[in-house]
Amino acid sequence: AQSVTQPDIHITVSEGASLELRCNYSYGATPYLFWYVQSPGQGLQLLLKYFSGDTLVQGIKGFEAEFKRSQSSFNLRKPSVHWSDAAEYFCAAELSGGYQKVTFGTGTKLQVIP
Amino acid sequence: DGGITQSPKYLFRKEGQNVTLSCEQNLNHDAMYWYRQDPGQGLRLIYYSQIVNDFQKGDIAEGYSVSREKKESFPLTVTSAQKNPTAFYLCASTLQDLTGYTFGSGTRLTVV
Repeated sequence: AQSVTQPDIHITVSEGASLELRCNYSYGATPYLFWYVQSPGQGLQLLLKYFSGDTLVQGIKGFEAEFKRSQSSFNLRKPSVHWSDAAEYFCAAELSGGYQKVTFGTGTKLQVIP
Repeated sequence: DGGITQSPKYLFRKEGQNVTLSCEQNLNHDAMYWYRQDPGQGLRLIYYSQIVNDFQKGDIAEGYSVSREKKESFPLTVTSAQKNPTAFYLCASTLQDLTGYTFGSGTRLTVV
């Protein structure tokens, strides 16, 4: 079955430190990949997406993600975390197939400490 | 500015009552979706619609119904048949070219 796994439920980092959030997918073919961010009580906002080409993708708010086919991974990174980055982050995957069914991971909640 | 509007933000329902959640978009997006979010479970697809007057069940459609009479609108009705309706409901839309979703700000439904 197709699935998206985010192994870390909760991560705490210090402000100014680097961040990496993990995402692994299980699909028969390489899916389209997305990262979304959700602030408490709000909807999700698209951070970045990967369809093909360059495996390092730049997004908004200073985030980037690297696609690694050999590891079936699409990890999200940020060199220096700001307190405003505290939120929940969702990885998502989608196979082209006409109706665009997207599978979301269970999310990683990021806490930023001073 | 274009976007998706969900209303109301908070909704309280007595057991046995149907309730309808509103979702309106002015992005001229073709496809619209309803997701349910519960803590620790990510987002689960309830229903989706690619064109007007057509919609398909998602993974957890039981106890829910939808309509798509206009391109801009995709209301979700939570019926009394839904056994555990307390959750955060998110509406999303997208163009058909896999550009990623635009989400509304959600409706939190509580059964009292």
